[in-house]
Amino acid sequence: DTGVSQDPRHKITKRGQNVTFRCDPISEHNRLYWYRQTLGQGPEFLTYFQNEAQLEKSRLLSDRFSAERPKGSFSTLEIQRTEQGDSAMYLCASTGLAGPSSYEQYFGPGTRLTVT
Amino acid sequence: EDKVVQSPLSLVVHEGDTVTLNCSYEVTNFRSLLWYKQEKKAPTFLFMLTSSGIEKKSGRLSSILDKKELFSILNITATQTGDSAVYLCAVVTSGTYKYIFGTGTRLKVLA
Repeated sequence: DTGVSQDPRHKITKRGQNVTFRCDPISEHNRLYWYRQTLGQGPEFLTYFQNEAQLEKSRLLSDRFSAERPKGSFSTLEIQRTEQGDSAMYLCASTGLAGPSSYEQYFGPGTRLTVT
Repeated sequence: EDKVVQSPLSLVVHEGDTVTLNCSYEVTNFRSLLWYKQEKKAPTFLFMLTSSGIEKKSGRLSSILDKKELFSILNITATQTGDSAVYLCAVVTSGTYKYIFGTGTRLKVLA
Protein backbone atom coordinates (compact mmCIF):
# COMPACT_ATOMS: atom_id res chain seq x y z
CA ASP A 1 0.00 0.00 0.00
CA THR A 2 1.53 3.29 -1.03
CA GLY A 3 -0.95 5.61 0.72
CA VAL A 4 -0.61 7.51 3.98
CA SER A 5 -0.71 5.23 7.01
CA GLN A 6 -1.33 6.01 10.67
CA ASP A 7 -0.87 4.02 13.81
CA PRO A 8 -2.71 3.24 16.00
CA ARG A 9 -6.16 3.51 14.48
CA HIS A 10 -7.82 3.79 17.85
CA LYS A 11 -6.51 4.83 21.25
CA ILE A 12 -8.34 4.95 24.55
CA THR A 13 -6.47 6.57 27.40
CA LYS A 14 -7.15 7.94 30.82
CA ARG A 15 -7.00 11.64 31.50
CA GLY A 16 -3.50 12.72 32.42
CA GLN A 17 -1.71 10.05 30.41
CA ASN A 18 0.61 10.78 27.48
CA VAL A 19 -0.11 9.41 24.02
CA THR A 20 1.93 9.26 20.82
CA PHE A 21 0.67 8.74 17.29
CA ARG A 22 2.66 7.89 14.19
CA CYS A 23 2.15 8.87 10.57
CA ASP A 24 3.93 7.47 7.52
CA PRO A 25 3.34 9.70 4.48
CA ILE A 26 3.40 8.70 0.82
CA SER A 27 7.06 7.97 0.25
CA GLU A 28 7.90 10.71 -2.24
CA HIS A 29 5.93 13.43 -0.43
CA ASN A 30 7.95 16.05 1.38
CA ARG A 31 5.19 17.95 3.21
CA LEU A 32 3.36 16.31 6.08
CA TYR A 33 0.39 17.76 7.97
CA TRP A 34 -1.40 17.00 11.22
CA TYR A 35 -5.06 17.88 11.74
CA ARG A 36 -7.63 17.34 14.44
CA GLN A 37 -11.27 16.71 13.59
CA THR A 38 -14.24 16.64 15.92
CA LEU A 39 -17.80 15.66 15.10
CA GLY A 40 -19.50 18.01 12.69
CA GLN A 41 -16.38 20.02 11.97
CA GLY A 42 -13.87 20.09 9.18
CA PRO A 43 -10.24 19.17 9.85
CA GLU A 44 -8.51 21.77 12.01
CA PHE A 45 -4.88 22.49 11.14
CA LEU A 46 -2.38 21.64 13.89
CA THR A 47 1.06 21.76 12.29
CA TYR A 48 3.02 20.89 9.18
CA PHE A 49 6.51 19.86 8.13
CA GLN A 50 8.50 20.33 5.00
CA ASN A 51 11.03 17.53 5.11
CA GLU A 52 12.22 17.54 8.73
CA ALA A 53 11.52 21.22 9.38
CA GLN A 54 8.36 22.15 11.27
CA LEU A 55 7.28 25.27 9.39
CA GLU A 56 4.06 26.23 11.08
CA LYS A 57 2.17 25.40 14.21
CA SER A 58 -1.37 26.49 15.00
CA ARG A 59 -1.52 29.17 17.66
CA LEU A 60 -4.49 27.30 19.06
CA LEU A 61 -2.23 24.37 19.81
CA SER A 62 -1.47 23.90 23.48
CA ASP A 63 2.12 23.35 24.56
CA ARG A 64 1.00 19.85 25.60
CA PHE A 65 1.15 18.98 21.90
CA SER A 66 4.43 18.33 20.14
CA ALA A 67 5.28 16.89 16.76
CA GLU A 68 8.48 15.66 15.20
CA ARG A 69 9.66 14.43 11.84
CA PRO A 70 13.28 13.62 12.61
CA LYS A 71 14.44 12.23 9.27
CA GLY A 72 11.93 13.83 6.98
CA SER A 73 9.99 10.60 6.59
CA PHE A 74 7.53 9.46 9.29
CA SER A 75 6.20 11.85 11.91
CA THR A 76 4.99 11.50 15.48
CA LEU A 77 2.45 13.60 17.36
CA GLU A 78 2.59 13.48 21.13
CA ILE A 79 -0.04 14.77 23.52
CA GLN A 80 1.06 15.09 27.12
CA ARG A 81 -1.27 15.10 30.13
CA THR A 82 -4.31 14.33 28.00
CA GLU A 83 -7.63 16.02 28.74
CA GLN A 84 -11.14 14.95 27.79
CA GLY A 85 -11.24 17.82 25.31
CA ASP A 86 -8.44 16.15 23.37
CA SER A 87 -10.83 13.40 22.30
CA ALA A 88 -11.00 13.65 18.51
CA MET A 89 -9.85 12.11 15.26
CA TYR A 90 -6.24 12.98 14.51
CA LEU A 91 -5.56 13.02 10.80
CA CYS A 92 -2.28 13.04 8.97
CA ALA A 93 -1.94 14.13 5.35
CA SER A 94 0.88 14.55 2.88
CA THR A 95 1.56 16.44 -0.33
CA GLY A 96 4.18 16.01 -3.00
CA LEU A 97 7.07 17.94 -4.43
CA ALA A 98 7.03 20.42 -7.25
CA GLY A 99 4.51 20.73 -10.03
CA PRO A 100 0.77 21.46 -10.29
CA SER A 101 -0.24 18.36 -8.37
CA SER A 102 2.00 19.24 -5.44
CA TYR A 103 -0.95 20.85 -3.70
CA GLU A 104 -3.08 17.70 -3.86
CA GLN A 105 -3.23 16.57 -0.28
CA TYR A 106 -3.87 12.94 0.64
CA PHE A 107 -5.08 11.79 4.04
CA GLY A 108 -4.34 8.77 6.17
CA PRO A 109 -7.11 6.79 7.91
CA GLY A 110 -6.75 8.76 11.14
CA THR A 111 -6.25 7.88 14.79
CA ARG A 112 -9.35 8.16 16.93
CA LEU A 113 -8.44 9.23 20.45
CA THR A 114 -10.83 8.81 23.36
CA VAL A 115 -9.82 10.28 26.70
CA THR A 116 -11.80 8.91 29.63
CA GLU B 1 -8.59 35.93 9.44
CA ASP B 2 -8.73 33.40 6.61
CA LYS B 3 -11.99 31.50 6.43
CA VAL B 4 -13.90 29.02 4.29
CA VAL B 5 -17.68 28.78 4.50
CA GLN B 6 -19.75 25.98 3.05
CA SER B 7 -23.46 25.88 2.40
CA PRO B 8 -25.84 24.33 2.96
CA LEU B 9 -24.71 22.61 6.15
CA SER B 10 -26.86 19.62 5.33
CA LEU B 11 -29.01 18.41 2.50
CA VAL B 12 -31.41 15.50 1.99
CA VAL B 13 -32.34 14.49 -1.56
CA HIS B 14 -33.73 11.48 -3.38
CA GLU B 15 -31.82 9.26 -5.75
CA GLY B 16 -31.63 10.78 -9.20
CA ASP B 17 -31.71 14.38 -7.98
CA THR B 18 -28.99 16.89 -8.87
CA VAL B 19 -27.32 18.79 -6.05
CA THR B 20 -25.12 21.87 -5.91
CA LEU B 21 -22.82 22.45 -2.95
CA ASN B 22 -21.29 25.84 -2.32
CA CYS B 23 -17.95 26.96 -0.92
CA SER B 24 -16.99 30.59 -0.42
CA TYR B 25 -13.69 31.81 0.91
CA GLU B 26 -11.86 34.83 2.23
CA VAL B 27 -8.13 34.24 2.31
CA THR B 28 -4.98 36.14 1.58
CA ASN B 29 -2.72 34.77 -1.16
CA PHE B 30 -5.15 32.22 -2.57
CA ARG B 31 -3.42 29.38 -4.39
CA SER B 32 -5.95 26.55 -4.93
CA LEU B 33 -9.27 25.16 -3.74
CA LEU B 34 -9.81 21.48 -3.08
CA TRP B 35 -12.92 19.33 -2.65
CA TYR B 36 -12.99 16.15 -0.58
CA LYS B 37 -15.56 13.46 0.16
CA GLN B 38 -15.63 12.11 3.69
CA GLU B 39 -17.60 9.06 4.66
CA LYS B 40 -17.00 7.38 8.01
CA LYS B 41 -13.26 7.72 7.63
CA ALA B 42 -10.61 10.11 6.35
CA PRO B 43 -11.35 12.57 3.54
CA THR B 44 -10.70 11.37 0.01
CA PHE B 45 -9.52 13.82 -2.62
CA LEU B 46 -11.96 14.75 -5.40
CA PHE B 47 -10.76 17.87 -7.22
CA MET B 48 -8.26 20.67 -7.08
CA LEU B 49 -9.11 23.97 -8.78
CA THR B 50 -6.64 26.75 -9.40
CA SER B 51 -7.96 28.71 -12.36
CA SER B 52 -11.30 30.44 -12.74
CA GLY B 53 -13.90 29.13 -15.14
CA ILE B 54 -12.28 25.79 -15.90
CA GLU B 55 -14.59 22.93 -14.99
CA LYS B 56 -13.16 19.79 -13.49
CA LYS B 57 -15.24 16.68 -14.08
CA SER B 58 -15.17 13.13 -12.85
CA GLY B 59 -18.15 10.97 -13.73
CA ARG B 60 -21.26 12.53 -12.21
CA LEU B 61 -19.25 15.06 -10.20
CA SER B 62 -18.07 18.39 -11.50
CA SER B 63 -16.68 21.55 -9.98
CA ILE B 64 -15.81 25.07 -11.01
CA LEU B 65 -14.07 28.01 -9.38
CA ASP B 66 -14.86 31.73 -9.56
CA LYS B 67 -11.86 33.67 -8.29
CA LYS B 68 -13.53 37.02 -8.81
CA GLU B 69 -16.51 36.21 -6.61
CA LEU B 70 -14.42 33.95 -4.34
CA PHE B 71 -16.45 30.78 -4.48
CA SER B 72 -16.64 27.31 -5.91
CA ILE B 73 -19.48 24.90 -6.54
CA LEU B 74 -19.56 21.13 -6.58
CA ASN B 75 -22.31 19.55 -8.66
CA ILE B 76 -23.45 15.97 -8.37
CA THR B 77 -25.89 14.76 -11.01
CA ALA B 78 -28.11 11.66 -10.86
CA THR B 79 -27.29 11.18 -7.18
CA GLN B 80 -26.98 7.70 -5.71
CA THR B 81 -27.15 6.48 -2.12
CA GLY B 82 -23.38 5.96 -2.29
CA ASP B 83 -22.96 9.72 -2.65
CA SER B 84 -24.13 10.13 0.95
CA ALA B 85 -21.19 11.70 2.77
CA VAL B 86 -19.79 14.95 4.09
CA TYR B 87 -18.27 17.07 1.33
CA LEU B 88 -15.41 19.26 2.47
CA CYS B 89 -13.93 22.28 0.80
CA ALA B 90 -10.41 23.50 1.59
CA VAL B 91 -8.33 26.43 0.42
CA VAL B 92 -4.55 26.43 0.30
CA THR B 93 -2.61 29.67 0.34
CA SER B 94 0.56 30.52 -1.52
CA GLY B 95 3.74 30.65 0.45
CA THR B 96 2.50 29.03 3.65
CA TYR B 97 1.13 25.78 2.13
CA LYS B 98 -1.50 25.91 4.85
CA TYR B 99 -4.92 24.32 4.18
CA ILE B 100 -8.06 25.87 5.63
CA PHE B 101 -11.14 23.67 5.71
CA GLY B 102 -14.80 24.52 5.85
CA THR B 103 -17.14 22.66 8.18
CA GLY B 104 -18.52 20.59 5.31
CA THR B 105 -21.91 19.86 3.77
CA ARG B 106 -23.57 16.66 4.94
CA LEU B 107 -25.40 15.09 2.01
CA LYS B 108 -27.90 12.28 2.49
CA VAL B 109 -29.34 10.58 -0.57
CA LEU B 110 -32.49 8.57 0.03
CA ALA B 111 -33.35 5.51 -2.06
